[in-house]
Amino acid sequence: AQKVTQAQTEISVVEKEDVTLDCVYETRDTTYYLFWYKQPPSGELVFLIRRNSFDEQNEISGRYSWNFQKSTSSFNFTITASQVVDSAVYFCALSETNYGGSQGNLIFGKGTKLSVKP
Amino acid sequence: EAGVVQSPRYKIIEKKQPVAFWCNPISGHNTLYWYRQNLGQGPELLIRYENEEAVDDSQLPKDRFSAERLKGVDSTLKIQPAELGDSAVYLCASSLRRTSGSLSEQFFGPGTRLTVL
Repeated sequence: AQKVTQAQTEISVVEKEDVTLDCVYETRDTTYYLFWYKQPPSGELVFLIRRNSFDEQNEISGRYSWNFQKSTSSFNFTITASQVVDSAVYFCALSETNYGGSQGNLIFGKGTKLSVKP
Repeated sequence: EAGVVQSPRYKIIEKKQPVAFWCNPISGHNTLYWYRQNLGQGPELLIRYENEEAVDDSQLPKDRFSAERLKGVDSTLKIQPAELGDSAVYLCASSLRRTSGSLSEQFFGPGTRLTVL
């Protein structure tokens, strides 16, 4: 069965600190997709990144970086030099593939609430 | 380009009353999703549409929940009658199914926060 675990319920850091949000997933599929979404207080989930299971290359986008390790079934998210505007709930999600090979439904973790204080 | 639009943003009703939520997806997005998000949890899929067809409604409590997407564009989710446990945020999302069969990422609306008293 599919499962996404975000063990950190809440994290609080001071501005400019680096912070890593952990995500561990379970799946029986060999082909799957992993996602991170940000949910600010306004409530709308904002897409951050999608990776497929064949691409283990780490990705960097500005202050954001992602570390995908199939060996440990983890897809961790690091924010460098955090800012107050990064305060939000961050969700990791997993999607297996359908019979046609296309992306299936999203299974979300419970989220990690990040508070960045000035 | 406008994002996913949902209304109302907030709804307070008494138990046993009916309630309906409306969603207009991003223009051109043929796949539409309804999720329920309980407090402190991640969103959970209720139903997924490909155009006007509900292709996955396995998690929709069909005794009281119904949904429709008659013309393959906007969609309505209804609860009748509402129960206390239905208090949650109801999120709508849309994505584009390309001719290759692949799906774009999902874009979410702001949600409707339902409180059942």
